[in-house]
Amino acid sequence: GENVEQHPSTLSVQEGDSAVIKCTYSDSASNYFPWYKQELGKRPQLIIDIRSNVGEKKDQRIAVTLNKTAKHFSLHITETQPEDSAVYFCAPQGWTSYGKLTFGQGTILTVHP
Amino acid sequence: GAVVSQHPSRVICKSGTSVKIECRSLDFQATTMFWYRQFPKKSLMLMATSNEGSKATYEQGVEKDKFLINHASLTLSTLTVTSAHPEDSSFYICSARGGSGRSGANVLTFGAGSRLTVL
Repeated sequence: GENVEQHPSTLSVQEGDSAVIKCTYSDSASNYFPWYKQELGKRPQLIIDIRSNVGEKKDQRIAVTLNKTAKHFSLHITETQPEDSAVYFCAPQGWTSYGKLTFGQGTILTVHP
Repeated sequence: GAVVSQHPSRVICKSGTSVKIECRSLDFQATTMFWYRQFPKKSLMLMATSNEGSKATYEQGVEKDKFLINHASLTLSTLTVTSAHPEDSSFYICSARGGSGRSGANVLTFGAGSRLTVL
């Protein structure tokens, strides 16, 4: 099965700074790489995803980069805002097991005003 | 968009009783549903995968006799925690796969979760 490592476990930044979270996976068959944001007591929300035929994808202040050779992908948040404070999870997977998620350990992001 | 309704959102029960959690896809047919458990300040752990009309597939270490999963229709899956104990207290979340997203791929949608407290 997939072995997922996510770093850092906690990240504290000042409002306006950038935040980067890295996810390393083991299964070379993984070809879909989503990032989820979870607020306390709420469901995970998909915030950005990337497929293995693309190296980078950007959506306003968030971006995801993929290094398939090294088997890691990263979440980048620029111009952070207090409402970005949440727990972020990566969940790499293959299309044959789409939906069967192995989540990373999570990163608690705190954005200080 | 695809909507998954999960209830109850919160339930408190006495030790030894059974609790049923429902997960419904409201506007699409969910061919597959997944059940996760999340302890405080921890990640979500997959418990089982359920397909309509067939037995659920449980992850290693998950007791199938304790966590009964039924996927009787394309819109409903239930998780029953039998003979609940305090250590079963957790946040249970379902997700459903089905429908079609913008890219044409299956949509994956999470329920809002159910907070179980066993006294």
